Amino acid sequence: NAGVTQTPKFQVLKTGQSMTLQCAQDMNHNSMYWYRQDPGMGLRLIYYSASEGTTDKGEVPNGYNVSRLNKREFSLRLESAAPSQTSVYFCASSEVMGANYGYTFGSGTRLTVV
Amino acid sequence: KNEVEQSPQNLTAQEGEFITINCSYSVGISALHWLQQHPGGGIVSLFMLSSGKKKHGRLIATINIQEKHSSLHITASHPRDSAVYICVLSGGGADGLTFGKGTHLIIQP
Repeated sequence: NAGVTQTPKFQVLKTGQSMTLQCAQDMNHNSMYWYRQDPGMGLRLIYYSASEGTTDKGEVPNGYNVSRLNKREFSLRLESAAPSQTSVYFCASSEVMGANYGYTFGSGTRLTVV
Repeated sequence: KNEVEQSPQNLTAQEGEFITINCSYSVGISALHWLQQHPGGGIVSLFMLSSGKKKHGRLIATINIQEKHSSLHITASHPRDSAVYICVLSGGGADGLTFGKGTHLIIQP
């Protein structure tokens, strides 16, 4: 099925460990996004990539890095995980940036940092 | 930044009831999205609308641009409709989106 695929679905890290969350879309979308979702809060944008070869900071970028590997793939890296990064992470994509375009979300990665 | 408020925050209803979830915002927008998130699951885009009304199955979304208000209705609700429903506005943020905190809906059999 066409869509956004995220891996892994679940992950437990110890404080200070690093990991990379993977995201791939097969809809030939230009724009991709990483969000985090915390209890009682709306989704918050971590980083985005308006098009292949570009990445920019969102609302909460501290502690994260991203790579737009190609048009399909957009990865999120935690270099030194902290308990404050315990959250559910969603990758999304859209044909072009802008609210008048539909967004497709991945199924999420539930990350716990202990 | 656009302020978005969803109501109610939590809603429990019986199967078959007509459900209404509201979304109000403070600054004019060009489009609004409704998303559905099942417990432990991913997020699905239900509607994107900029005016009037859209219908998909038992779901109906309306928007009144002048009143800065949108509603999501579910007719003949079913336990499988139990989910968090999120209103998303254009404007604000690097990605042009402002997310509501969601309405947690539980439909009891």
